[in-house]
Amino acid sequence: DVKVTQSSRYLVKRTGEKVFLECVQDMDHENMFWYRQDPGLGLRLIYFSYDVKMKEKGDIPEGYSVSREKKERFSLILESASTNQTSMYLCASSPRRGSEAFFGQGTRLTVV
Amino acid sequence: AQSVTQLGSHVSVSEGALVLLRCNYSSSVPPYLFWYVQYPNQGLQLLLKYTTGATLVKGINGFEAEFKKSETSFHLTKPSAHMSDAAEYFCAVIAMFSGGYNKLIFGAGTRLAVHP
Repeated sequence: DVKVTQSSRYLVKRTGEKVFLECVQDMDHENMFWYRQDPGLGLRLIYFSYDVKMKEKGDIPEGYSVSREKKERFSLILESASTNQTSMYLCASSPRRGSEAFFGQGTRLTVV
Repeated sequence: AQSVTQLGSHVSVSEGALVLLRCNYSSSVPPYLFWYVQYPNQGLQLLLKYTTGATLVKGINGFEAEFKKSETSFHLTKPSAHMSDAAEYFCAVIAMFSGGYNKLIFGAGTRLAVHP
């Protein structure tokens, strides 16, 4: 089975902190994604990557950056956390362009 | 541009009743369509998918969905609801992204409640 692992289930950070959310997949998938989930808004794509060291902006990239130094790992970085970034963050991977995505358990981030 | 609309943010059914969750899509190309389920404080799990071929797609946990091109719909159904079906359900479509890449576009979700 595909396994996508997010490093933390719950995080509490202070405003202005630099925050790292880590995601690792074990199925050699080329594609990896970071989504943000908020009530009533569904899932919104922040960034995605189709190859190592490659990244593309999604629909809401402002305030975020990403890093993909190795194929299995995709990190989301909040450069300076703000309260409006309090949310559920979901990482996903897929084996090729256009196929379904496999999701991690999610990280619920609270910025105070 | 591709998009997804889920009709009804909350649906409530009795245990044993029919479950019907509605999804309409917009796509300028033949769509790939998906239904995901999310249990509380969990990630998303794929229920079923439509890519090509048979328009009635069967998934896990007794769910199925029918692709209707003429209605641009992909509604999710289950004949008899169980208490364990209470969750949030997301419809998604593959969208063509600038640069030739694809990405999943999600609907806003429908929260299903099942009462005794």
